[in-house]
Amino acid sequence: GAVVSQHPSWVICKSGTSVKIECRSLDFQATTMFWYRQFPKQSLMLMATSNEGSKATYEQGVEKDKFLINHASLTLSTLTVTSAHPEDSSFYICSAMDSGRAYEQYFGPGTRLTVT
Amino acid sequence: AQTVTQSQPEMSVQEAETVTLSCTYDTSENNYYLFWYKQPPSRQMILVIRQEAYKQQNATENRFSVNFQKAAKSFSLKISDSQLGDTAMYFCVANAGGTSYGKLTFGQGTILTVHP
Repeated sequence: GAVVSQHPSWVICKSGTSVKIECRSLDFQATTMFWYRQFPKQSLMLMATSNEGSKATYEQGVEKDKFLINHASLTLSTLTVTSAHPEDSSFYICSAMDSGRAYEQYFGPGTRLTVT
Repeated sequence: AQTVTQSQPEMSVQEAETVTLSCTYDTSENNYYLFWYKQPPSRQMILVIRQEAYKQQNATENRFSVNFQKAAKSFSLKISDSQLGDTAMYFCVANAGGTSYGKLTFGQGTILTVHP
């Protein structure tokens, strides 16, 4: 089956620093990837849509300068949280859409970010 | 815009019994897909079952089945012979295409606890 990986699975960083999260589709090509944020016991909130070779599309209310997204290849998208603050602490999940099966997405295992 | 509503924040069931999780949705698209995902304590999103709107037959995957009522825009999940491993947060999800092509719309989630 289609597998999506995320790295790191857990990261702790100090306030004011930046942290990069990678999302990879391991056995399929993903022209589109999505980034979500999730707080405990809540639903997933879509942050942005990442398209290979073009600028990401951000959802309303998401700061594009704070959450930088780069989709450099058909198998890799990165989310960089710049100048992180404690309120950015959350669980970040990516998903990838298989170009041949656009109705379905495959989810990464998530990254827990803690900003101290 | 599409919406998905899950009105049961939490539910519990005894092992080996049957439980039904409710979901209603709204979309103006004619072609769409509906999903149930589970998110166990590991927080990995796992696809439980998929329903294509143009198919009248309700989808079934082993112990999991749906009751898809297109006119009522209802999409409930029935779990038979509940197992301890079914304990998770369950999300009803819509992928309606159109101007929101590829974007998933999540319900609020239902936390299901299976008791021994």
